[in-house]
Amino acid sequence: SAVISQKPSRDICQRGTSLTIQCQVDSQVTMMFWYRQQPGQSLTLIATANQGSEATYESGFVIDKFPISRPNLTFSTLTVSNMSPEDSSIYLCSAHTGSPSQPQHFGDGTRLSIL
Amino acid sequence: GESVGLHLPTLSVQEGDNSIINCAYSNSASDYFIWYKQESGKGPQFIIDIRSNMDKRQGQRVTVLLNKTVKHLSLQIAATQPGDSAVYFCAESGGSNYKLTFGKGTLLTVNP
Repeated sequence: SAVISQKPSRDICQRGTSLTIQCQVDSQVTMMFWYRQQPGQSLTLIATANQGSEATYESGFVIDKFPISRPNLTFSTLTVSNMSPEDSSIYLCSAHTGSPSQPQHFGDGTRLSIL
Repeated sequence: GESVGLHLPTLSVQEGDNSIINCAYSNSASDYFIWYKQESGKGPQFIIDIRSNMDKRQGQRVTVLLNKTVKHLSLQIAATQPGDSAVYFCAESGGSNYKLTFGKGTLLTVNP
């Protein structure tokens, strides 16, 4: 199964600043996704990171707030822009090979606190 | 039942007992279902999955049951161990986009 690494693992940021989270997969994958998990809650899909084109965002999430890059088949970044305390969450990257016989795998997340 | 904020549904069992974690899904078009285990400070870890053309699938110590009539999914863990203590999430998807919709999660606590 794919091994997914996220950096940073955690950060504490000032409101109004932006942070870029990196996601590296150890093998080429077809699909990469970004999820948000608020404290004590379930996971909510932010967007699908598309290789070579703009990400596809879910309802309630916009590119200006969460710009995403995916320059190749193993790497993606999520930026959380102009942060406020409401953005304090765990941000998780996942990957899928595109094979129906394979599950989606997750990184360990980035724990973000906004002061 | 419903969970809000930090009040996840919880299940507490004794070591060695069997555990059953339930999940209701809402989308009749979903054709793929998956269970994840999430330990504190970690990302979700794949446990087992099932497609809608099956009713049951077994893994090592785990079984997933799917009832499409009532849109219900369950995870059975045999001989539960303290290392099984975690939050368990079900998730569903439909079509070929592999986007997952997660359930609220259940906190499983195994008492030694």
